[in-house]
Amino acid sequence: SAVISQKPSRDICQRGTSLTIQCQVDSQVTMMFWYRQQPGQSLTLIATANQGSEATYESGFVIDKFPISRPNLTFSTLTVSNMSPEDSSIYLCSVERGETDTQYFGPGTRLTVL
Amino acid sequence: QKEVEQNSGPLSVPEGAIASLNCTYSDRGSQSFFWYRQYSGKSPELIMSIYSNGDKEDGRFTAQLNKASQYVSLLIRDSQPSDSATYLCAVNGYSTLTFGKGTMLLVSP
Repeated sequence: SAVISQKPSRDICQRGTSLTIQCQVDSQVTMMFWYRQQPGQSLTLIATANQGSEATYESGFVIDKFPISRPNLTFSTLTVSNMSPEDSSIYLCSVERGETDTQYFGPGTRLTVL
Repeated sequence: QKEVEQNSGPLSVPEGAIASLNCTYSDRGSQSFFWYRQYSGKSPELIMSIYSNGDKEDGRFTAQLNKASQYVSLLIRDSQPSDSATYLCAVNGYSTLTFGKGTMLLVSP
Protein backbone atom coordinates (compact mmCIF):
# COMPACT_ATOMS: atom_id res chain seq x y z
CA SER A 1 0.00 0.00 0.00
CA ALA A 2 1.14 3.58 0.55
CA VAL A 3 1.30 6.11 3.35
CA ILE A 4 -0.39 9.27 2.13
CA SER A 5 -1.00 12.43 4.10
CA GLN A 6 -3.08 15.46 3.24
CA LYS A 7 -3.14 18.95 4.67
CA PRO A 8 -5.35 20.46 5.86
CA SER A 9 -7.66 17.72 7.07
CA ARG A 10 -10.55 20.17 7.07
CA ASP A 11 -11.19 23.85 6.57
CA ILE A 12 -14.01 26.35 6.53
CA CYS A 13 -13.54 29.09 3.96
CA GLN A 14 -15.33 32.19 2.80
CA ARG A 15 -16.84 32.53 -0.64
CA GLY A 16 -14.43 33.98 -3.20
CA THR A 17 -11.25 32.83 -1.49
CA SER A 18 -8.87 30.03 -2.52
CA LEU A 19 -7.53 27.01 -0.65
CA THR A 20 -4.48 24.92 -1.47
CA ILE A 21 -4.53 21.27 -0.43
CA GLN A 22 -1.28 19.36 -0.09
CA CYS A 23 -0.72 15.66 -0.68
CA GLN A 24 2.47 13.91 0.46
CA VAL A 25 3.40 10.29 -0.26
CA ASP A 26 5.96 8.19 1.60
CA SER A 27 7.78 7.11 -1.56
CA GLN A 28 8.08 8.10 -5.20
CA VAL A 29 5.10 7.51 -7.44
CA THR A 30 4.55 8.31 -11.09
CA MET A 31 0.87 9.10 -11.09
CA MET A 32 -1.14 11.03 -8.53
CA PHE A 33 -4.83 11.72 -8.79
CA TRP A 34 -7.22 14.26 -7.31
CA TYR A 35 -10.85 13.40 -6.64
CA ARG A 36 -13.86 15.21 -5.30
CA GLN A 37 -16.60 13.57 -3.25
CA GLN A 38 -19.64 15.77 -2.81
CA PRO A 39 -21.98 15.07 0.11
CA GLY A 40 -23.72 11.74 -0.30
CA GLN A 41 -22.07 11.11 -3.65
CA SER A 42 -19.35 8.90 -5.02
CA LEU A 43 -15.89 9.92 -6.13
CA THR A 44 -15.36 12.02 -9.23
CA LEU A 45 -11.91 12.35 -10.77
CA ILE A 46 -10.78 15.95 -11.12
CA ALA A 47 -7.39 15.45 -12.73
CA THR A 48 -4.34 13.25 -13.08
CA ALA A 49 -1.00 14.77 -12.08
CA ASN A 50 2.25 13.41 -13.50
CA GLN A 51 5.58 14.85 -12.46
CA GLY A 52 7.12 17.07 -15.08
CA SER A 53 4.02 17.56 -17.18
CA GLU A 54 0.77 19.48 -17.09
CA ALA A 55 -2.09 17.88 -15.23
CA THR A 56 -4.77 16.17 -17.29
CA TYR A 57 -8.25 17.39 -16.36
CA GLU A 58 -11.49 15.45 -16.68
CA SER A 59 -14.52 16.83 -18.41
CA GLY A 60 -16.14 19.55 -16.33
CA PHE A 61 -12.97 20.55 -14.50
CA VAL A 62 -10.67 23.35 -15.66
CA ILE A 63 -7.21 24.47 -14.70
CA ASP A 64 -8.27 28.00 -13.79
CA LYS A 65 -10.61 26.64 -11.11
CA PHE A 66 -8.45 23.72 -9.93
CA PRO A 67 -4.77 24.46 -10.60
CA ILE A 68 -2.50 21.55 -9.73
CA SER A 69 1.21 21.40 -9.08
CA ARG A 70 3.43 18.31 -9.12
CA PRO A 71 6.94 19.51 -8.30
CA ASN A 72 8.38 16.07 -7.53
CA LEU A 73 7.51 12.38 -7.30
CA THR A 74 6.23 12.49 -3.71
CA PHE A 75 4.19 15.69 -3.55
CA SER A 76 1.29 17.45 -5.23
CA THR A 77 -1.05 20.34 -4.50
CA LEU A 78 -4.59 21.10 -5.60
CA THR A 79 -5.93 24.64 -5.33
CA VAL A 80 -9.65 25.31 -5.24
CA SER A 81 -9.96 28.85 -6.58
CA ASN A 82 -12.63 31.51 -6.16
CA MET A 83 -14.68 29.18 -4.02
CA SER A 84 -18.45 29.03 -3.82
CA PRO A 85 -20.67 26.94 -1.52
CA GLU A 86 -20.97 24.38 -4.36
CA ASP A 87 -17.30 23.57 -3.85
CA SER A 88 -18.04 22.18 -0.39
CA SER A 89 -16.81 18.60 -0.70
CA ILE A 90 -14.21 16.15 0.41
CA TYR A 91 -11.10 16.35 -1.74
CA LEU A 92 -8.99 13.23 -1.96
CA CYS A 93 -5.64 12.49 -3.47
CA SER A 94 -4.63 9.00 -4.52
CA VAL A 95 -1.60 7.25 -5.93
CA GLU A 96 -0.99 4.17 -8.03
CA ARG A 97 1.26 1.61 -6.38
CA GLY A 98 2.51 -1.84 -7.15
CA GLU A 99 2.64 -3.74 -10.38
CA THR A 100 -0.97 -3.10 -11.19
CA ASP A 101 -3.11 -0.01 -11.47
CA THR A 102 -4.27 -0.13 -7.88
CA GLN A 103 -5.00 3.23 -6.29
CA TYR A 104 -4.62 4.08 -2.63
CA PHE A 105 -6.25 7.12 -1.10
CA GLY A 106 -5.16 9.76 1.31
CA PRO A 107 -7.33 10.67 4.32
CA GLY A 108 -9.05 13.50 2.48
CA THR A 109 -9.66 17.21 3.06
CA ARG A 110 -13.14 18.22 4.13
CA LEU A 111 -13.89 21.66 2.74
CA THR A 112 -16.85 23.81 3.72
CA VAL A 113 -17.44 27.07 1.88
CA LEU A 114 -19.71 29.64 3.49
CA GLN B 1 -19.49 7.82 -21.03
CA LYS B 2 -18.25 5.07 -18.75
CA GLU B 3 -20.80 4.04 -16.16
CA VAL B 4 -20.62 1.87 -13.08
CA GLU B 5 -23.92 0.94 -11.48
CA GLN B 6 -24.57 -0.23 -7.94
CA ASN B 7 -27.69 -0.54 -5.83
CA SER B 8 -27.57 2.26 -3.29
CA GLY B 9 -29.07 0.13 -0.54
CA PRO B 10 -29.03 0.01 2.33
CA LEU B 11 -28.46 -3.71 2.29
CA SER B 12 -29.30 -5.03 5.73
CA VAL B 13 -28.03 -8.42 6.89
CA PRO B 14 -27.81 -10.04 10.33
CA GLU B 15 -24.46 -10.74 11.92
CA GLY B 16 -22.97 -13.99 10.61
CA ALA B 17 -24.84 -13.91 7.30
CA ILE B 18 -23.41 -13.56 3.81
CA ALA B 19 -23.64 -10.10 2.26
CA SER B 20 -23.74 -9.94 -1.52
CA LEU B 21 -22.87 -6.67 -3.26
CA ASN B 22 -23.27 -6.27 -7.00
CA CYS B 23 -21.92 -3.97 -9.67
CA THR B 24 -22.33 -3.64 -13.44
CA TYR B 25 -20.22 -1.58 -15.81
CA SER B 26 -20.70 -0.24 -19.30
CA ASP B 27 -17.20 -0.19 -20.81
CA ARG B 28 -16.34 -3.58 -22.33
CA GLY B 29 -12.71 -2.52 -22.56
CA SER B 30 -12.35 -2.35 -18.77
CA GLN B 31 -9.44 -4.40 -17.48
CA SER B 32 -9.27 -3.92 -13.71
CA PHE B 33 -11.94 -4.05 -11.06
CA PHE B 34 -11.78 -2.96 -7.45
CA TRP B 35 -13.87 -2.95 -4.31
CA TYR B 36 -13.31 -0.22 -1.75
CA ARG B 37 -14.85 0.13 1.68
CA GLN B 38 -15.64 3.59 2.99
CA TYR B 39 -16.65 4.23 6.56
CA SER B 40 -18.59 7.40 7.23
CA GLY B 41 -16.25 10.39 7.31
CA LYS B 42 -13.28 8.36 6.14
CA SER B 43 -11.51 7.85 2.82
CA PRO B 44 -11.94 4.73 0.66
CA GLU B 45 -9.92 1.68 1.69
CA LEU B 46 -9.04 -1.00 -0.84
CA ILE B 47 -10.53 -4.42 -0.08
CA MET B 48 -10.11 -6.45 -3.25
CA SER B 49 -8.89 -6.22 -6.79
CA ILE B 50 -9.74 -8.65 -9.58
CA TYR B 51 -8.54 -8.81 -13.15
CA SER B 52 -9.69 -12.10 -14.68
CA ASN B 53 -12.97 -13.97 -14.87
CA GLY B 54 -13.88 -16.13 -11.92
CA ASP B 55 -13.55 -15.88 -8.18
CA LYS B 56 -10.84 -14.40 -6.00
CA GLU B 57 -10.89 -15.05 -2.29
CA ASP B 58 -9.20 -13.13 0.53
CA GLY B 59 -10.26 -14.10 4.01
CA ARG B 60 -13.96 -13.45 4.42
CA PHE B 61 -14.14 -11.61 1.11
CA THR B 62 -14.70 -13.11 -2.34
CA ALA B 63 -14.74 -11.04 -5.51
CA GLN B 64 -16.40 -12.46 -8.61
CA LEU B 65 -15.93 -11.20 -12.15
CA ASN B 66 -17.86 -12.02 -15.31
CA LYS B 67 -16.60 -9.89 -18.19
CA ALA B 68 -19.10 -11.32 -20.67
CA SER B 69 -21.95 -10.09 -18.49
CA GLN B 70 -20.03 -6.95 -17.43
CA TYR B 71 -20.70 -7.86 -13.85
CA VAL B 72 -18.57 -7.88 -10.70
CA SER B 73 -19.65 -8.79 -7.19
CA LEU B 74 -18.32 -8.92 -3.66
CA LEU B 75 -19.37 -11.54 -1.14
CA ILE B 76 -18.70 -11.00 2.55
CA ARG B 77 -18.99 -14.16 4.61
CA ASP B 78 -19.71 -14.18 8.33
CA SER B 79 -20.67 -10.49 8.22
CA GLN B 80 -19.76 -8.47 11.30
CA PRO B 81 -21.18 -5.17 12.58
CA SER B 82 -17.75 -3.68 11.80
CA ASP B 83 -18.42 -4.42 8.11
CA SER B 84 -21.15 -1.78 8.15
CA ALA B 85 -19.95 0.78 5.62
CA THR B 86 -20.44 1.93 2.05
CA TYR B 87 -18.85 -0.35 -0.54
CA LEU B 88 -17.63 1.28 -3.72
CA CYS B 89 -17.11 -0.61 -6.96
CA ALA B 90 -14.44 0.90 -9.22
CA VAL B 91 -13.54 0.01 -12.78
CA ASN B 92 -10.37 0.92 -14.64
CA GLY B 93 -10.22 1.02 -18.41
CA TYR B 94 -7.31 3.21 -19.39
CA SER B 95 -5.54 4.53 -16.30
CA THR B 96 -8.57 6.23 -14.79
CA LEU B 97 -10.93 4.78 -12.22
CA THR B 98 -14.67 5.17 -12.57
CA PHE B 99 -16.56 4.69 -9.33
CA GLY B 100 -20.08 3.56 -8.70
CA LYS B 101 -22.19 5.46 -6.20
CA GLY B 102 -21.70 2.76 -3.61
CA THR B 103 -23.89 0.35 -1.67
CA MET B 104 -24.46 0.95 2.01
CA LEU B 105 -24.21 -2.25 4.05
CA LEU B 106 -25.73 -2.50 7.51
CA VAL B 107 -24.90 -5.54 9.62
CA SER B 108 -27.09 -5.88 12.68
CA PRO B 109 -25.86 -7.67 15.83
